[in-house]
Amino acid sequence: DAGVTQSPTHLIKTRGQQVTLRCSPISGHKSVSWYQQVLGQGPQFIFQYYEKEERGRGNFPDRFSARQFPNYSSELNVNALLLGDSALYLCASSIDRGTQYFGPGTRLLVL
Amino acid sequence: AQSVTQPDIHITVSEGASLELRCNYSYGATPYLFWYVQSPGQGLQLLLKYFSGDTLVQGIKGFEAEFKRSQSSFNLRKPSVHWSDAAEYFCAVGDNSGGYQKVTFGTGTKLQVIP
Repeated sequence: DAGVTQSPTHLIKTRGQQVTLRCSPISGHKSVSWYQQVLGQGPQFIFQYYEKEERGRGNFPDRFSARQFPNYSSELNVNALLLGDSALYLCASSIDRGTQYFGPGTRLLVL
Repeated sequence: AQSVTQPDIHITVSEGASLELRCNYSYGATPYLFWYVQSPGQGLQLLLKYFSGDTLVQGIKGFEAEFKRSQSSFNLRKPSVHWSDAAEYFCAVGDNSGGYQKVTFGTGTKLQVIP
């Protein structure tokens, strides 16, 4: 079975721009979580979605938003990009509240 | 709020030597505990997890971890390290109390393996 997939793998944006990152969960997994990993740090929780509803949100500004589609794939949107948004963005899928399995991530560089 | 402390930022071991990576957590109830490994530029791979039951947990790649409630610890061990084990290791605690599983990660321990 395919694991969690994310696109694109790398992205370069400039300050003030908007970005959309995509995630496809493992088949049968209905929950998707998003994490931000800044260089040298552990991942920080951003959102969790289950059955298209937001179930949890971390301590991130409103510039960060997400949604989940009927096929359980998900998008993370970040508006008005700042230099500090440069990070590896990780998506994880799970069966409801079970163990989370991570994708390879999208590396975002904001110039 | 839960938290995870990994006191060792960087560890160097010789190939074939034993390994122990330390992890301490702070959580009010019985925690869900995880160890993940991340190779450079890659996502996170689950090594093992503890939810309940036997406090010694076996994982993939020959790793094991022991949950010690009295010490709030969940240390990762491997009896003989291989060069391919060089990576960054993250300990994490999961909290289901809010109706979803929020996972909090430590800052990671970078493992270097020397010949």
